[in-house]
Amino acid sequence: QQPVQSPQAVILREGEDAVINCSSSKALYSVHWYRQKHGEAPVFLMILLKGGEQKGHEKISASFNEKKQQSSLYLTASQLSYSGTYFCGTEIKGSNTGKLIFGQGTTLQVKP
Amino acid sequence: KAGVTQTPRYLIKTRGQQVTLSCSPISGHRSVSWYQQTPGQGLQFLFEYFSETQRNKGNFPGRFSGRQFSNSRSEMNVSTLELGDSALYLCASSLLVDPTQYFGPGTRLLVL
Repeated sequence: QQPVQSPQAVILREGEDAVINCSSSKALYSVHWYRQKHGEAPVFLMILLKGGEQKGHEKISASFNEKKQQSSLYLTASQLSYSGTYFCGTEIKGSNTGKLIFGQGTTLQVKP
Repeated sequence: KAGVTQTPRYLIKTRGQQVTLSCSPISGHRSVSWYQQTPGQGLQFLFEYFSETQRNKGNFPGRFSGRQFSNSRSEMNVSTLELGDSALYLCASSLLVDPTQYFGPGTRLLVL
């Protein structure tokens, strides 16, 4: 049931773009994205509730394709501060548990 | 509002011992979840408590247990520690109607 994130790791130069994917084998009600900087707690970035929904947060945005049970996180014109591990958390449709199942994480390193 | 707090921040134990970790949620949050984080495994869900009752449970052995008090503070206990229990243990609180997780700084446990 754990969603699969790809890639596992990515290295960028400042100003470059990146896409992180989150794919589930189960139908999803919502997808949450979190970022964890080294030595810190994961921090909530955004939630996507409807299929096709896109949300933005500064230069970080995300989309949710309900039919494909996938979500993608887009980081444009990356900054050094974007470095960290990104997790998607999925809420499975019909589970009624209100529980999030997290992917294994994607480590992003932005270099000057 | 104060964030989620966890104590202690660091622990070193030996195999066979037991350990108790503590978590105080954000004021007003009555749901508390516990996660184990190890390199490459992402965030593995342990259990969730709401109103002093365990609402959800992950796939961990019975050595892992928890409880929640009437003030929503929660404790997690691991008995008969094994080397593989070395990890960062994160606590997160949330509102019942919203699964968005607000994480604490974690307790880093090292089992020797």
